[in-house]
Amino acid sequence: EPEVTQTPSHQVTQMGQEVILRCVPISNHLYFYWYRQILGQKVEFLVSFYNNEISEKSEIFDDQFSVERPDGSNFTLKIRSTKLEDSAMYFCASRRGWGSGNTIYFGEGSWLTVV
Amino acid sequence: GIQVEQSPPDLILQEGANSTLRCNFSDSVNNLQWFHQNPWGQLINLFYIPSGTKQNGRLSATTVATERYSLLYISSSQTTDSGVYFCAVEEETSGSRLTFGEGTQLTVNP
Repeated sequence: EPEVTQTPSHQVTQMGQEVILRCVPISNHLYFYWYRQILGQKVEFLVSFYNNEISEKSEIFDDQFSVERPDGSNFTLKIRSTKLEDSAMYFCASRRGWGSGNTIYFGEGSWLTVV
Repeated sequence: GIQVEQSPPDLILQEGANSTLRCNFSDSVNNLQWFHQNPWGQLINLFYIPSGTKQNGRLSATTVATERYSLLYISSSQTTDSGVYFCAVEEETSGSRLTFGEGTQLTVNP
């Protein structure tokens, strides 16, 4: 079965540093997402991306965050100046189409630890 | 936004036992998915089931969309079934985001 792949699997960074998390969505998928999960909590939506632009974002996705699809395969999440509270598992996800009949597939996650 | 409630929050079983996990949601949905989060944090897709019933081995799921709930059945549980089970829904009327429930923490003891 095709997979969403994410790198790195784990990153430790100092507070205030910039972090880029990378994702390769499934190849024929058109909708891309980032979610995050703080340890012990539920998974929360951050942002969705379609047709090379953000289609929806949550209140969590403030000016510190940005997303980009720099080429035909990668989808990245950038955190400009990390804070302690950004420590979480970040999941990338993708789907082929929108609405009924389209499963959303998740990557294995990137653990981010901010110290 | 839509509310997703899962029950029970915690469940402890002996190997071989059966269990039922429930997910209630507050509005009409386009999409409902069940996930298993393993001890390494990976989200494993179990079912895409906005309505009806599906089975996959020892797992099955039923969604009654008109009554806004879904059930996940685990039969003959194994220790490898341990982890957190999440229900996630996509509202019919807004965007394409999935809203997750709080999850059910399942522990299967040998």
